[in-house]
Amino acid sequence: DTAVSQTPKYLVTQMGNDKSIKCEQNLGHDTMYWYKQDSKKFLKIMFSYNNKELIINETVPNRFSPKSPDKAHLNLHINSLELGDSAVYFCASSQQGADYGYTFGSGTRLTVV
Amino acid sequence: QKEVEQDPGPLSVPEGAIVSLNCTYSNSAFQYFMWYRQYSRKGPELLMYTYSSGNKEDGRFTAQVDKSSKYISLFIRDSQPSDSATYLCAMSVVKAAGNKLTFGGGTRVLVKP
Repeated sequence: DTAVSQTPKYLVTQMGNDKSIKCEQNLGHDTMYWYKQDSKKFLKIMFSYNNKELIINETVPNRFSPKSPDKAHLNLHINSLELGDSAVYFCASSQQGADYGYTFGSGTRLTVV
Repeated sequence: QKEVEQDPGPLSVPEGAIVSLNCTYSNSAFQYFMWYRQYSRKGPELLMYTYSSGNKEDGRFTAQVDKSSKYISLFIRDSQPSDSATYLCAMSVVKAAGNKLTFGGGTRVLVKP
């Protein structure tokens, strides 16, 4: 039973298209995140939601728009995709005050051609 | 200069050897320190979580934090081929909701049978 699940796992699309990535967690955590991992393996936070409220919004292009319909779901919509958006996008969740860090999903590998 | 520095490796060791990994950081406000393991095409999974300075041991894994030197380490004893993965250090300032993790770039480890 997957704790943090992302769909799709792979996404190949052309420049200029709009795409969405979905994330769901069944751990009962109250906080969810989107991280981007580039080709050099650096993981950088993009957004964080706590109980559906946006609490972290790092400097990312406004083509990226997160949405959290409830605390178990966090989606990421990307408009006008560019070549530089190619990366692996990870969803993660955590519980406020807990001592065990984040639980990550298995990632969505986005390739823009 | 990045906030968290980590040698990308690869670090190649024979089976049974001790693997020694480390990270340096520049932000003295970091209080929570974590090590994640990431297998190829998978999400990071939490290995160790420590607060402030000191040592923590969990089975074959030992994490050390030296806040005065801004240096953290992970040791893996009796290494196995299944330990071959990328190891990422991560750290954060506080434990509140929306706790932003700052990651190192990861060290790729290869344990040869």
